[in-house]
Amino acid sequence: GAVVSQHPSRVICKSGTSVKIECRSLDFQATTMFWYRQFPKQSLMLMATSNEGSKATYEQGVEKDKFLINHASLTLSTLTVTSAHPEDSSFYICSAKTWDRGNTEAFFGQGTRLTVV
Amino acid sequence: GESVGLHLPTLSVQEGDNSIINCAYSNSASDYFIWYKQESGKGPQFIIDIRSNMDKRQGQRVTVLLNKTVKHLSLQIAATQPGDSAVYFCAGSYGTGNQFYFGTGTSLTVIP
Repeated sequence: GAVVSQHPSRVICKSGTSVKIECRSLDFQATTMFWYRQFPKQSLMLMATSNEGSKATYEQGVEKDKFLINHASLTLSTLTVTSAHPEDSSFYICSAKTWDRGNTEAFFGQGTRLTVV
Repeated sequence: GESVGLHLPTLSVQEGDNSIINCAYSNSASDYFIWYKQESGKGPQFIIDIRSNMDKRQGQRVTVLLNKTVKHLSLQIAATQPGDSAVYFCAGSYGTGNQFYFGTGTSLTVIP
């Protein structure tokens, strides 16, 4: 399967600071990327969908000014958690897919563990 | 959005036995489903998928069954091994947006 890489895998930041998480498709062009959030022992919750070159579409209840998403190229999307607080601590996972592959699976990154202290 | 849920949050099976993990979905427009396996601290791994025009699909040691009438799908793992211990999610997708909405998850524990 295709490879999606997330960086960093773990990050600890101070409350009030911002953190950027990168999601890269390594061997295919990702026209669409998705960002998920996962709390311990819970499922993945879709936060937003980003299409290359356009604004992200956020799920209901997700603050777009809090979670800034940029999908400037076909291989890179970034999620910036702004003014992070301890309640933002979570496991963030991206996935990517391309229309070239039709309606097929989304490939997932390995996730980023964010801890806000 | 989609609502995809699982019947059982945990499942324990003896090594070598078959495992069955169930999933219910609410949106009848869902036309594509995937089962993912997630190990602790890692991202989801694709296991098997099925489209709504099928009712069964088989892979290596795994079978997915889809019953559109009752909006239910299941994952069957044959001869379960300790390495199968993980959390299993079903995810559904519909329309052109192709977002995947995940179910609650079932934690599978294989007892040696």
